[in-house]
Amino acid sequence: GDSVTQMEGPVTLSEEAFLTINCTYTATGYPSLFWYVQYPGEGLQLLLKATKADDKGSNKGFEATYRKETTSFHLEKGSVQVSDSAVYFCALSGGYGGSQGNLIFGKGTKLSVKP
Amino acid sequence: EPEVTQTPSHQVTQMGQEVILRCVPISNHLYFYWYRQILGQKVEFLVSFYNNEISEKSEIFDDQFSVERPDGSNFTLKIRSTKLEDSAMYFCASRWTGLKLDEQYFGPGTRLTVT
Repeated sequence: GDSVTQMEGPVTLSEEAFLTINCTYTATGYPSLFWYVQYPGEGLQLLLKATKADDKGSNKGFEATYRKETTSFHLEKGSVQVSDSAVYFCALSGGYGGSQGNLIFGKGTKLSVKP
Repeated sequence: EPEVTQTPSHQVTQMGQEVILRCVPISNHLYFYWYRQILGQKVEFLVSFYNNEISEKSEIFDDQFSVERPDGSNFTLKIRSTKLEDSAMYFCASRWTGLKLDEQYFGPGTRLTVT
């Protein structure tokens, strides 16, 4: 079945460092890809998405490009802030067009940014 | 901005008791979901619901679980006889359509603790 693999955490960075969180997927068909963020004590918020190959999703300085040839959707940010400390989840949905669209999540990567 | 709400935020129950978790999806949304996240683990799909019936469910969603949309606004998850391993954060989500490119909006979650 469809699956998402994320790099293991936790990841600890200093403020203004460059961030990469790797995400690869296995899916039949043409899934949409997402990054969700979960701040401490809160629910899941959509950070960015991409719906087809070579699309780039971006939001709040974060970017991820849908790479079909490498089945990847790595999350990047050029300069992290303390406020970016959270758990980041890569997810996919809709391996087949017209599916009910339930999300399949990776295990999550905890990011801690130190001042 | 419209949002998904969930009540209660935290529920403590004894093993074997029934619990009902409540969600109010965004008002014009048509597709509804429940997910759970056991502490420190990934978010897992439980069930999707459309047109007053279950459209898809995971292997986690066994006979102890049921969902209902009792009126035009609420969407509930019932666990008939809770087990210790049901302790988790339960997230409700909704979306307008079932298309893979349509975003799911998550509620803040209900933390269920079974003792």
